[in-house]
Amino acid sequence: DAGVIQSPRHEVTEMGQEVTLRCKPISGHDYLFWYRQTMMRGLELLIYFNNNVPIDDSGMPEDRFSAKMPNASFSTLKIQPSEPRDSAVYFCASSLPRQGARSKNIQYFGAGTRLSVL
Amino acid sequence: AQSVTQPDIHITVSEGASLELRCNYSYGATPYLFWYVQSPGQGLQLLLKYFSGDTLVQGIKGFEAEFKRSQSSFNLRKPSVHWSDAAEYFCAVGASSNYKLTFGKGTLLTVNP
Repeated sequence: DAGVIQSPRHEVTEMGQEVTLRCKPISGHDYLFWYRQTMMRGLELLIYFNNNVPIDDSGMPEDRFSAKMPNASFSTLKIQPSEPRDSAVYFCASSLPRQGARSKNIQYFGAGTRLSVL
Repeated sequence: AQSVTQPDIHITVSEGASLELRCNYSYGATPYLFWYVQSPGQGLQLLLKYFSGDTLVQGIKGFEAEFKRSQSSFNLRKPSVHWSDAAEYFCAVGASSNYKLTFGKGTLLTVNP
């Protein structure tokens, strides 16, 4: 299995520009999670999906952030407009299909996208 | 709400020495507990997990962790550290009710030759 695939690995942009981060979950996984990692706040859950439907977006910092999952094999996290404080590493993770509630919490992470907003 | 505390931000050990990384959690019910490792520039890799049963769990790369309910702890151990173990280690707690993972701030491990 190829694992969770994120693109791009690095993104440098200027303040005010739109940024789109992409994620391909592990085939067959029905949960997808977006995290943000910063030195100050550590790993924060932004939003997660089940069967392509957003379940909890309470971690999304503000309206500038949006996430979609148009199908089971693709998700995007968009920031518009971007600001320097959005600079962070953004991780996508996916988890195993339903085999009991416990299995849902085994999350597999992508390599992340390092975003720098100048 | 669940929370995780990793008291040690940075630990340095010599190669071959034993290692213990501390993790304390807060959660109202039986927690699901995890340790992940992150090498520089990489994503998080699952080392081990605890759901129920035997409180001493074995993981990959020779790591083990012990769940102690009375102390709300899930410390990670390794009897002999290798230079390749240098990385950042994250403890996490999950709940069956919402499928979220809450992570600690991480412990950076440096291994001296």
